Parts: sequence; structure tokens; C-alpha cells
Amino acid sequence: GAVVSQHPSWVICKSGTSVKIECRSLDFQATTMFWYRQFPKQSLMLMATSNEGSKATYEQGVEKDKFLINHASLTLSTLTVTSAHPEDSSFYICSARDKSVGGTEAFFGQGTRLTVV
Amino acid sequence: SQQGEEDPQALSIQEGENATMNCSYKTSINNLQWYRQNSGRGLVHLILIRSNEREKHSGRLRVTLDTSKKSSSLLITASRAADTASYFCATVGGQGFSFIFGKGTRLLVKP
Repeated sequence: GAVVSQHPSWVICKSGTSVKIECRSLDFQATTMFWYRQFPKQSLMLMATSNEGSKATYEQGVEKDKFLINHASLTLSTLTVTSAHPEDSSFYICSARDKSVGGTEAFFGQGTRLTVV
Repeated sequence: SQQGEEDPQALSIQEGENATMNCSYKTSINNLQWYRQNSGRGLVHLILIRSNEREKHSGRLRVTLDTSKKSSSLLITASRAADTASYFCATVGGQGFSFIFGKGTRLLVKP
């Protein structure tokens, strides 16, 4: 099956620093990638949708200047949490939509646990 | 807003019993997927059912889809302690091809 690799799987950073999370589709081209955030014992909440070569579309309430998304190629999207604060600590998960099967299937990375201290 | 709503929110059963979880959604879909998440871990794709399918099997998993009722069910037969996890349904469809998750069902299988 299709594989989506997310890196790092966990990261601890100091308050005020920026953290970059990568999401790669390893064996397919992803026209669209999605970024989600999950708080403990909660569901995944869609943060933004990124299409290759264009600006990301952010969900209401998500600060685009805080969560920078770059989808530079059909296999890579990055999420940068800028000037991180403890309240940004969360589990971030990406998913990628498989272009080759008509785009009706999407696959998920393993997630990144961010802890801001 | 969330598309899917799973029920029950929590389910506790004995090993060997069957577990049934339900998911309802709001808008039209292309497909519906079920995922499993162990505590603090990433998502594992379990099964995908397309909007023109009514039932699908994969090992001990059985998924049904009723598009008229906008609902789906996931049945895990002969449950094992290792099945303990949270289970989410996710729908694909709608404008912008958003992929929306329900709140999940936390399943506990007691050995």
C-alpha cells in the first residue's frame, strides 16, 4: 500500500523557536496534502490543505503566519510551527491524497508529537 | 465542523467478543475509511469502502455503508486484547476534497 512518511516522529523544542515537520509520499504523487492536529483523547482536526505549487488553504481559526505550510513538490509538504509556545504542543499528522487512483484515497503519516518547553 | 460522529464513544468488551462501532456523517461522500490509533501513536488505515459499495470484509473486520442513512458500521469479530485502540471513521468527499474525522470510539478489550 501507499506509504506516507512523516518526520520527525517526536520533537522537543524551546519556547520561541521554530520547528519544521516533513511529510513525504514515498511511492506515489500527492496532489494534495492535509495537515491535522490532535489534542489528547480528541479527534483529528484539519488545520490546512496544501496543493502542490500553490498556497495552502487554512481552516478557520488556524493562524497561517504561525503554521507555515510549503508544498514544493508532488511528494513533499512541510509544516513549520513558528515561534512555538507551550500551547502549540500537540500531535500533528499529515495525509497525502493519491493522484494516481483518481484522488479518492488518502494515506496518513505516523504523526509528530511536538512538545514545547 | 466535524463530519463524522462515531458511537459509542467508548466500548469495553471481553476478549473473544465482537465489537461494533457506528459512524454517521453529514454530507455526500466518495468513500469512507476506518482508522485505528493506539494511544499516542499515528493512524493505521484499516479499510476503505466506496460510496457504491454496501459491505466489505478484511480479515476480522466487516464494514457496512448505508448512504441513504449516511452511516457506516465497523464490526471486529473475535476481538483480541491487541485490538484495544481508538477507532475513527473518516469521510472523503465534498468541496475541496476535505477528509474529515469523527471523534472516535475508544475500544477496550479485556483479556
